[in-house]
Amino acid sequence: DGGITQSPKYLFRKEGQNVTLSCEQNLNHDAMYWYRQDPGQGLRLIYYSQIVNDFQKGDIAEGYSVSREKKESFPLTVTSAQKNPTAFYLCATRLEFGVTEAFFGQGTRLTVV
Amino acid sequence: GDSVTQMEGPVTLSEEAFLTINCTYTATGYPSLFWYVQYPGEGLQLLLKATKADDKGSNKGFEATYRKETTSFHLEKGSVQVSDSAVYFCALSEVPGGTSYGKLTFGQGTILTVHP
Repeated sequence: DGGITQSPKYLFRKEGQNVTLSCEQNLNHDAMYWYRQDPGQGLRLIYYSQIVNDFQKGDIAEGYSVSREKKESFPLTVTSAQKNPTAFYLCATRLEFGVTEAFFGQGTRLTVV
Repeated sequence: GDSVTQMEGPVTLSEEAFLTINCTYTATGYPSLFWYVQYPGEGLQLLLKATKADDKGSNKGFEATYRKETTSFHLEKGSVQVSDSAVYFCALSEVPGGTSYGKLTFGQGTILTVHP
């Protein structure tokens, strides 16, 4: 099946730990994105990537890091520098960067314990 | 910068009622406009889109018309069902070029609950 796979669905992090959220796609889309969703705040862009080996900061990149070594994969690391990481994280892809619609994965809910 | 403003929620309706969720936008160029729907615990799904002024997007009984003169893209459905209960997001994407990178900007979302 074609699609976007995010894993895990639920993730628990202890204070001071780094955790990595996985996003894999087999849609052959060029652009990939990470969004954070908090209640009542819509979606905020963390990082985006137009092509392999290139990525740019979004609106709330502090405390996060990404890599894009393969077209299919865009993992997000939530570092200990992110002070309030509890949120729902969504990965998205677009066929090309621009006016085309975005497709979303099922999300990962991260909770700090 | 670009922004999207949706009507405050939550919206609660009875089955078969008429639905309107207002969406207005601010953009410097000529963006494409989208409505996405999110069911509990899931990601977002594209509901409909419009890429230029006066275009009407439609899907599953939902409709929205790109109104450049009022910078609006209101979502409507003539008769809602319980299964339409979800969170609805209005979004815009600039055309890339100049200083724009085609960013996708979302409204804050509107929670819709439909009762039998």
